[in-house]
Amino acid sequence: AQSVTQPDIHITVSEGASLELRCNYSYGATPYLFWYVQSPGQGLQLLLKYFSGDTLVQGIKGFEAEFKRSQSSFNLRKPSVHWSDAAEYFCAVGAQGGSEKLVFGKGTKLTVNP
Amino acid sequence: EAQVTQNPRYLITVTGKKLTVTCSQNMNHEYMSWYRQDPGLGLRQIYYSMNVEVTDKGDVPEGYKVSRKEKRNFPLILESPSPNQTSLYFCASSQWDRGSEQYFGPGTRLTVT
Repeated sequence: AQSVTQPDIHITVSEGASLELRCNYSYGATPYLFWYVQSPGQGLQLLLKYFSGDTLVQGIKGFEAEFKRSQSSFNLRKPSVHWSDAAEYFCAVGAQGGSEKLVFGKGTKLTVNP
Repeated sequence: EAQVTQNPRYLITVTGKKLTVTCSQNMNHEYMSWYRQDPGLGLRQIYYSMNVEVTDKGDVPEGYKVSRKEKRNFPLILESPSPNQTSLYFCASSQWDRGSEQYFGPGTRLTVT
């Protein structure tokens, strides 16, 4: 069964600083990988996803993520964080064949200091 | 506007009083799912449905029921709610193809006393 680990429960960065949120997954075959963002009091919004091809994927709001098969990682990055990026971020892995089994990590809460 | 709606958004109830949380999507999606979100545990899947009259258990189905009589609706039923079902619930929908994005509703915060 697939699983996702987000090692950092809470990260604090200063506005304008770079950001990297870590995600490690466990899955026997090529995974489908997602990053979602949850702003306070809101539902989840997809930032980006990876299925195959180029291992560096671009998403919305200036985010990108890199799939590294050798490290079973799919880390999320942003070169310059804005105060509006403060939210909780979830990495998720889906099984092959569709989205019927989407397993989420426990999330990383991002605080942005002015 | 493409969206997933949930009602109610907030609910406080007592142990044992049956309740239903409705979920509706207007995107003609085949796949729908319910998750619960608890602090420190992330989102866990309760039930999912791949189409009308086709439902299956997720990771934490105990104490919940679902039905899918119409493609657009996927209600979550708690026949006898207990305090350990106090949580934030999300409904999601997606197309049925590889790796489709799941669209999430705004969430329903349920408190069972």
